[in-house]
Amino acid sequence: DVKVTQSSRYLVKRTGEKVFLECVQDMDHENMFWYRQDPGLGLRLIYFSYDVKMKEKGDIPEGYSVSREKKERFSLILESASTNQTSMYLCASSPTGVLGYTFGSGTRLTVV
Amino acid sequence: AQTVTQSQPEMSVQEAETVTLSCTYDTSESNYYLFWYKQPPSRQMILVIRQEAYKQQNATENRFSVNFQKAAKSFSLKISDSQLGDTAMYFCASLSGGYNKLIFGAGTRLAVHP
Repeated sequence: DVKVTQSSRYLVKRTGEKVFLECVQDMDHENMFWYRQDPGLGLRLIYFSYDVKMKEKGDIPEGYSVSREKKERFSLILESASTNQTSMYLCASSPTGVLGYTFGSGTRLTVV
Repeated sequence: AQTVTQSQPEMSVQEAETVTLSCTYDTSESNYYLFWYKQPPSRQMILVIRQEAYKQQNATENRFSVNFQKAAKSFSLKISDSQLGDTAMYFCASLSGGYNKLIFGAGTRLAVHP
């Protein structure tokens, strides 16, 4: 089975800190995605990548950046964490979207 | 832009009964794909069922089936013989242009009671 691993299950950071959320997949998928999940809003796409060093903005990219230096790894960066970025962050990968995504188990980030 | 709407924030059902979760979507694509995902308390998102829009036949996976009404842009999920393990958040999603980005609804929290 495809596995998508997110490095932290829970994370607490201070306002203004630079935060790195790491995601690794083990099945050579071209496409990787970062979503944030908030109650009543569902999952909203932050950034996605369809190849190494390639990235595309999703629906809510403000305050975030990403890095994909290797095919298996897709990092989400909060340049200066703010309390409104407290959320659940989900990483996903897919060989092609029509088959659906495989998700990681999420990182619950709290910014204090 | 594509949108997905789930109008039922919460639902509950007794074990062994049938429940239907609603989803409507809006798209300008001529061909597209629709999905239902389940997120149990473990937080792991699990693909429940997938429907290709050009296929008339409704998708079925064991106790899970969909009622796909293309003209009405409706994609409901029916869970038969509900089990306690079906307790979860359920998300409806559509695949947008370029066939790579999933757009999700707000989710429906389903509780199955013994």
